[in-house]
Amino acid sequence: GAVVSQHPSWVICKSGTSVKIECRSLDFQATTMFWYRQFPKQSLMLMATSNEGSKATYEQGVEKDKFLINHASLTLSTLTVTSAHPEDSSFYICSAGDNSYNSPLHFGNGTRLTVT
Amino acid sequence: AQTVTQSQPEMSVQEAETVTLSCTYDTSESDYYLFWYKQPPSRQMILVIRQEAYKQQNATENRFSVNFQKAAKSFSLKISDSQLGDAAMYFCAYSRSYNTDKLIFGTGTRLQVFP
Repeated sequence: GAVVSQHPSWVICKSGTSVKIECRSLDFQATTMFWYRQFPKQSLMLMATSNEGSKATYEQGVEKDKFLINHASLTLSTLTVTSAHPEDSSFYICSAGDNSYNSPLHFGNGTRLTVT
Repeated sequence: AQTVTQSQPEMSVQEAETVTLSCTYDTSESDYYLFWYKQPPSRQMILVIRQEAYKQQNATENRFSVNFQKAAKSFSLKISDSQLGDAAMYFCAYSRSYNTDKLIFGTGTRLQVFP
């Protein structure tokens, strides 16, 4: 079945550094990918919609200069957390759809980011 | 704007018993999709069941079924013959499409299953 691979699964970085998270659709092309953030014991909150070949659409309150999204190909979207701070520590999950009639959105396994 | 509300932060059920998780939503759209996702401690999102709004028949998937009340904007999940492996966070979600649009999630319900 269709798989979305997210890498890394966990990362620890120092405050002020940048971290890149990759989301790949392994056996299908995804023109659209979605990035969510989940704080401990909370729900998934949509951060942005990543569109292949164009600018991402950010949700209200999400800083686009801090959370850079690049969707350069039909199988890869990246989320870069720039100048990370401890409050950026969270669980980040991507999802993608393959546009098949009977196939739901596929989720990556998530990335746990800890900023020290 | 669409919203999804889950009013039960936690629920518990005895193994082999039945439990119902509640979900309400708000939308002005007439056609949309509703989902229940399970998130175990591994945090992998697992699709449990989906419902197309234009279908009157309630969706069922083995031990999982929904009670979809479109007029009341209610979408509850019933788990029959509960198993220990059902213990997880359950999220109700809304989308305007099946797999091309964003999902809007509720706050989740933590389900505990006791032997």
